[in-house]
Amino acid sequence: GQNIDQPTEMTATEGAIVQINCTYQTSGFNGLFWYQQHAGEAPTFLSYNVLDGLEEKGRFSSFLSRSKGYSYLLLKELQMKDSASYLCAVRDSNYQLIWGAGTKLIIKP
Amino acid sequence: ETGVTQTPRHLVMGMTNKKSLKCEQHLGHNAMYWYKQSAKKPLELMFVYSLEERVENNSVPSRFSPECPNSSHLFLHLHTLQPEDSALYLCASSPTSGGADTQYFGPGTRLTVL
Repeated sequence: GQNIDQPTEMTATEGAIVQINCTYQTSGFNGLFWYQQHAGEAPTFLSYNVLDGLEEKGRFSSFLSRSKGYSYLLLKELQMKDSASYLCAVRDSNYQLIWGAGTKLIIKP
Repeated sequence: ETGVTQTPRHLVMGMTNKKSLKCEQHLGHNAMYWYKQSAKKPLELMFVYSLEERVENNSVPSRFSPECPNSSHLFLHLHTLQPEDSALYLCASSPTSGGADTQYFGPGTRLTVL
């Protein structure tokens, strides 16, 4: 079967750095997405990786290793507004998105 | 504002009621999706429409009935639901239904079935 694993919940301190991991086992691979979802709001697109390596976008970076079936989302200089759930999703060989259950990130002052 | 709107934002219904969820996208996209999001579970894809034609139906019970009258509007008609159908129902759109297109989500309808 197809599976996406990510931690259920993480806690970090304002101003710090946090890394949210995502491992996947899918039938084929056509890209990996990270979305941010604040409570009661729409998931919003953060990043897309299809080749190995690091993609940087301001305070957020996303890394992909296809050989290891592994990605992480790195958030720097954490702000209180970064408290949200972070969803990892992989597009499989049929171009269907397989979703993880999300990681709830709690930022403390 | 992501360009995808959903109404109502909250809905409480009994098991014998009939209701409809509405989604509208203002992004000029050709593909639209319905997802179910339950607490601590992955997003479940329910239906996919591309150019107003249903291209995917992931074994969803017939008590959920989608309708796509044009590429900007998507409905989910609900009837004789069960309490386990209580969840957040998310609509999304993308330029096409394949490739590397990013999906853009609406804020969802929080559905409670009593």
